[in-house]
Amino acid sequence: SQQGEEDPQALSIQEGENATMNCSYKTSINNLQWYRQNSGRGLVHLILIRSNEREKHSGRLRVTLDTSKKSSSLLITASRAADTASYFCATDAKNSGGYQKVTFGIGTKLQVIP
Amino acid sequence: DAGITQSPRHKVTETGTPVTLRCHQTENHRYMYWYRQDPGHGLRLIHYSYGVKDTDKGEVSDGYSVSRSKTEDFLLTLESATSSQTSVYFCAIRTSDRAVAGELFFGEGSRLTVL
Repeated sequence: SQQGEEDPQALSIQEGENATMNCSYKTSINNLQWYRQNSGRGLVHLILIRSNEREKHSGRLRVTLDTSKKSSSLLITASRAADTASYFCATDAKNSGGYQKVTFGIGTKLQVIP
Repeated sequence: DAGITQSPRHKVTETGTPVTLRCHQTENHRYMYWYRQDPGHGLRLIHYSYGVKDTDKGEVSDGYSVSRSKTEDFLLTLESATSSQTSVYFCAIRTSDRAVAGELFFGEGSRLTVL
């Protein structure tokens, strides 16, 4: 089974509204990352939060991390039509040999209606 | 920006044939990853590498093998392709070796269809 699971799987909002996506994971992590994917393209890194951080901001993005609940959320404020894309969380954790394994969730498909 | 290219970008093959996908990076990043993307499943990790000849299995490694004989190339092989391996395959490199850092930089994907 996959490490991360996003919720909701699909989200439709009006331009200007805020969009919140959640991610839950199962094992201890070193960091958690959020990525964006436009249809048919590769994923693009948005933001990384370390396991000892609780909140991080980047432009209109705000990420929170609760390691006790093994969950994270991504907030996009004042959404724009150009934010329409799929968003994925990724967990970065050490494997049994001490090497970094990065696994993804199933994603949230965001539609921002102009 | 990290340079990463995947080849081929599109391939149609028949069940039972071998297929090799290549991921090439222009920098010396240690970690490289292969994922497959299917509707309803997001990205699933197939195999990854943390150095030349050092590889490990991911979540969906059955039916796949990998090789990394030099830093810049990470090959994914389907020994005998099946229709369930029809997918879009993404390669990624990790831009730092540090545990608390290291975003992934992705290639543009290889679309494989197995008839």
